[in-house]
Amino acid sequence: GAGVSQSPRYKVTKRGQDVALRCDPISGHVSLYWYRQALGQGPEFLTYFNYEAQQDKSGLPNDRFSAERPEGSISTLTIQRTEQRDSAMYRCASSPTGPETQYFGPGTRLLVL
Amino acid sequence: AQSVTQLGSHVSVSEGALVLLRCNYSSSVPPYLFWYVQYPNQGLQLLLKYTSAATLVKGINGFEAEFKKSETSFHLTKPSAHMSDAAEYFCAVAGQGAQKLVFGQGTRLTINP
Repeated sequence: GAGVSQSPRYKVTKRGQDVALRCDPISGHVSLYWYRQALGQGPEFLTYFNYEAQQDKSGLPNDRFSAERPEGSISTLTIQRTEQRDSAMYRCASSPTGPETQYFGPGTRLLVL
Repeated sequence: AQSVTQLGSHVSVSEGALVLLRCNYSSSVPPYLFWYVQYPNQGLQLLLKYTSAATLVKGINGFEAEFKKSETSFHLTKPSAHMSDAAEYFCAVAGQGAQKLVFGQGTRLTINP
């Protein structure tokens, strides 16, 4: 079956612009996670959802970052007023149960000029 | 809180030689432990995981890892390296009951012909 998909795969934007990154999880997966991966580093947790409820947003760096999953399926990570330091790979994962079975998407590479 | 340290950001071995990638963790609660592999331009793929069953865990592509509580380690091994094993490898920990994965900084494995 289809895996986790993310779009766009690459996004180049200018500083100050807003961006929206989309994650389409595996059908039926309850949990959805967002991670950010800087070059040469491991992924860092941003936030996660069970169904449509955002359970933990402790990893969001500041209030320019927000995420939603309004119908318990597709999720959008939005970054407002982007800054160059936001440049990174943004990864989404979904799970039918919990952290022990996370399936990752290919990621969205964001470049802020 | 959980943390992961991967010893060696780059490891190089000859084709057919033993692969050993080191991972030490810290966790205030019993951990779940994971190894993920990342090939260029692809998402993270789960190699294997420890979830409090057998301490020696076998994964895909001939990899295995042993959970050693006394050493707080979860090193990844493969008896004979293949050229296709060249990739970046990430160790991750999640505390039992926690939802998010905490990743190490990654180890890039190079295979020499």
